[in-house]
Amino acid sequence: DIQMTQSPSSLSASVGDRVTITCRASQNIGSFLNWYQQKPGKAPRLLIYEASNLQSGVSSGFSGSGSGTDFTLTIISLQAEDLATYYCQQSFSMPHTFGQGTKVEIK
Amino acid sequence: QVQLAESGGGVVQPGRSLTLSCAASGFTFNNYAMDWVRQAPGQGLEWVAVISYDGSNKYYADSVKGRFTISRDNSKKTLLLQMTSLRVEDTAVYYCVKNSLAVAGHYNWFDSWGQGTLVTVSS
Repeated sequence: DIQMTQSPSSLSASVGDRVTITCRASQNIGSFLNWYQQKPGKAPRLLIYEASNLQSGVSSGFSGSGSGTDFTLTIISLQAEDLATYYCQQSFSMPHTFGQGTKVEIK
Repeated sequence: QVQLAESGGGVVQPGRSLTLSCAASGFTFNNYAMDWVRQAPGQGLEWVAVISYDGSNKYYADSVKGRFTISRDNSKKTLLLQMTSLRVEDTAVYYCVKNSLAVAGHYNWFDSWGQGTLVTVSS
């Protein structure tokens, strides 16, 4: 199975800060990397698909980049409503594995 | 808009069985593969199973293979997950998820999620 490792596991930042979350795959997955946001007590929702494509309806304040084994999710200007846990997920091969999550807190 | 409503969760003893259902609306159900993803309390996400648009292909996580069965009824726009020989470690919120593709396999994403149903396996 492909292992997905996110860093950091948690972070605390101020409103307006630029926040970067990284995700590393244990082998080359091309651009088959998706990002999800899960707010407390809610179901996850898709933010970014295929590494850099913004899902319809998602704020342009989110962006994704990367290919191969290293990927990044950037929150361009952190907002209070971005308080959530963020997960990466690879769809290059079965089983479709998730990273362990990055919890974003607001200072 | 896409709506996915899970039901069937509850408390069950180890070794027993339970069937989860997911009622889908707001999209052409028989055009898309469907998945189940679970989340143990306080933990991350774990993909469980996928079924292709017509039910012809199914894949499972190793942790549930041989115990869980995914199926669908396209006439009723319903997705099912039959869970047998349940273990304490199967305790989780189970999410019904719409796949971005019709076929089960690679290069897809999960573009809509239900609110989840909690399954607790405990004696």
